[in-house]
Amino acid sequence: RKEVEQDPGPFNVPEGATVAFNCTYSNSASQSFFWYRQDCRKEPKLLMSVYSSGNEDGRFTAQLNRASQYISLLIRDSKLSDSATYLCVVNNYGQNFVFGPGTRLSVLP
Amino acid sequence: DVKVTQSSRYLVKRTGEKVFLECVQDMDHENMFWYRQDPGLGLRLIYFSYDVKMKEKGDIPEGYSVSREKKERFSLILESASTNQTSMYLCASSKGTVRTYGYTFGSGTRLTVV
Repeated sequence: RKEVEQDPGPFNVPEGATVAFNCTYSNSASQSFFWYRQDCRKEPKLLMSVYSSGNEDGRFTAQLNRASQYISLLIRDSKLSDSATYLCVVNNYGQNFVFGPGTRLSVLP
Repeated sequence: DVKVTQSSRYLVKRTGEKVFLECVQDMDHENMFWYRQDPGLGLRLIYFSYDVKMKEKGDIPEGYSVSREKKERFSLILESASTNQTSMYLCASSKGTVRTYGYTFGSGTRLTVV
């Protein structure tokens, strides 16, 4: 089983829709969790950290479920500019991250 | 803003050549990393470094080596390039606690080995 798994998509949604992605991780000792965003042919950029209590940043909400070992990202009122690949990232120990393969989102006009 | 600069955006090399990929960061970050990214496989860690002259193997170090002679510079070396090393290479850096600050990536080097 891969350490971090994501549905690769693509998720094709109309503008204004709400879309949610899940990510599962296999290491129950994982300590920190993040969502990164990667635009086509660009480098990944930090979107948000994921806290145990859940956190929100504008239209984006991240949740962590330690018992079931998954994290989620909810995007409300999707914009065309949200089209990208969303990478789930887990920190197990030390200073290294483990990246999921990414979920591709296309927001359609 | 932290900048992580990779020396080349696109590179074409021949099989068997020795290839150097350079990465420089300008914010005095302790940690530096080299990843490769391939379709369907995501980002995979090649090597990382927590300090000058220090290096650790990541998940896929075979065929690669690294050098960190100065804090700001982390070089990835392909000793004898092969076609299966054709990939996007991403350098990243971070401050002391990755969990707090995350990574900052360079814009990547797309390497083609022919």
